[in-house]
Amino acid sequence: SYDLSQPPSVSVSPGQTASITCSGDKLEDKFVCWYQQKPGQSPILVIYQDTKRPSGIPERFSGSNSGITATLTISETQALDEADYYCQAWDRSTVTFGGGTKLTVL
Amino acid sequence: EVQLVESGGGLVQPGGSLRLSCAASGFTVSSNYMSWVRQAPGKGLEWVSVIYSGGSTYYADSVKGRFTISRDNSKNTLYLQMNSLRAEDTAVYYCAREGGIQGNGMDVWGQGTTVTVSS
Repeated sequence: SYDLSQPPSVSVSPGQTASITCSGDKLEDKFVCWYQQKPGQSPILVIYQDTKRPSGIPERFSGSNSGITATLTISETQALDEADYYCQAWDRSTVTFGGGTKLTVL
Repeated sequence: EVQLVESGGGLVQPGGSLRLSCAASGFTVSSNYMSWVRQAPGKGLEWVSVIYSGGSTYYADSVKGRFTISRDNSKNTLYLQMNSLRAEDTAVYYCAREGGIQGNGMDVWGQGTTVTVSS
């Protein structure tokens, strides 16, 4: 099975830039998506196809995918960005999620 | 309004069965990739199964042979038949839509339905 690795936690100060990484074998050959999930809520898609933002997602959210690491970057981080973030990719015909990263804004 | 609404969760004994439903509105289930994703208490997201627009189905190794994904085009509804349930299947189960190609991302999610497997 295919594995995606994320750091369990990331901390950032309000107004600063947060970076969350996602590592996997041959990740550059796959499209990576990112989801935000707040406690008690369903996940929300924030990045798809490595770099694209769905409508309604603030420009502060951006993504990249190079080599074996994909990165979700949140600029000018706000308190409301505090959440769990998951990367996701397809491997052939199955889907893999990363283990998730808890972003703390303090 | 584009929406997914799950139902069918509940408490079931180990070895039992349950069928989850996911009713869609505002779009056509059969035109999209539709997945089931679960989340055990306090844990991360785990993909369970997908049905392609063409009807092909795929499963995570953890549920293969026990779970079956299907859809009823006339009802615009997705299903997950779960048999031989185990304690480790306890989770919130979400259905999600992904556009017709891999990498488009799951852009619509239901509110989730809770499955508890316990004696």
